[in-house]
Amino acid sequence: SAVISQKPSRDICQRGTSLTIQCQVDSQVTMMFWYRQQPGQSLTLIATANQGSEATYESGFVIDKFPISRPNLTFSTLTVSNLSPEDSSIYLCSVWDPGLTDTQYFGPGTRLTVL
Amino acid sequence: AQKVTQAQTEISVVEKEDVTLDCVYETRDTTYYLFWYKQPPSGELVFLIRRNSFDEQNEISGRYSWNFQKSTSSFNFTITASQVVDSAVYFCALDSGGYNKLIFGAGTRLAVHP
Repeated sequence: SAVISQKPSRDICQRGTSLTIQCQVDSQVTMMFWYRQQPGQSLTLIATANQGSEATYESGFVIDKFPISRPNLTFSTLTVSNLSPEDSSIYLCSVWDPGLTDTQYFGPGTRLTVL
Repeated sequence: AQKVTQAQTEISVVEKEDVTLDCVYETRDTTYYLFWYKQPPSGELVFLIRRNSFDEQNEISGRYSWNFQKSTSSFNFTITASQVVDSAVYFCALDSGGYNKLIFGAGTRLAVHP
């Protein structure tokens, strides 16, 4: 299965600032995704990070707030802009691995706290 | 609309008890995939199983077993002889249409006490 790393693992940010989260995969993958898990809640898909083109956002998420880059098949970034306390969540990167298990794996997550 | 319902918010059992976590899904697609993930206190999401809509065979993996029933739109997960290390939040998820976009249930928090 693909091995996924995220940086930073956690951060505390001030209101109004931005945080960029990096996701690195140890193999080339076609599809990468970003999910949000608000405190005590389930996971919600933010967007699909497309290599070489703009990300595809789910309802309720917009590019101005969550700009995403996907410069190659092993790397993506998610920026959470103009932070407010409501953005305090765990942000998880996910990849679809079409190999033996043909399934989705998740990174360890980035825990963001906004003061 | 696609939806996953995990009606059990929290379950508490004593070690060695068997426990079943329920998952009910909604979709109009004929092709879909169902998943179970485990999220231990450390926070990472651990993949447990993926099942496609055309395969209704039940699956057993060690102490874990899954019962997929299309007639009731359910994909239940049973842990036999539970252990303290099984304590975690368990999520059921649906990929409707095979687009790799997962819809998660609310999760069930399982506490296994010694």
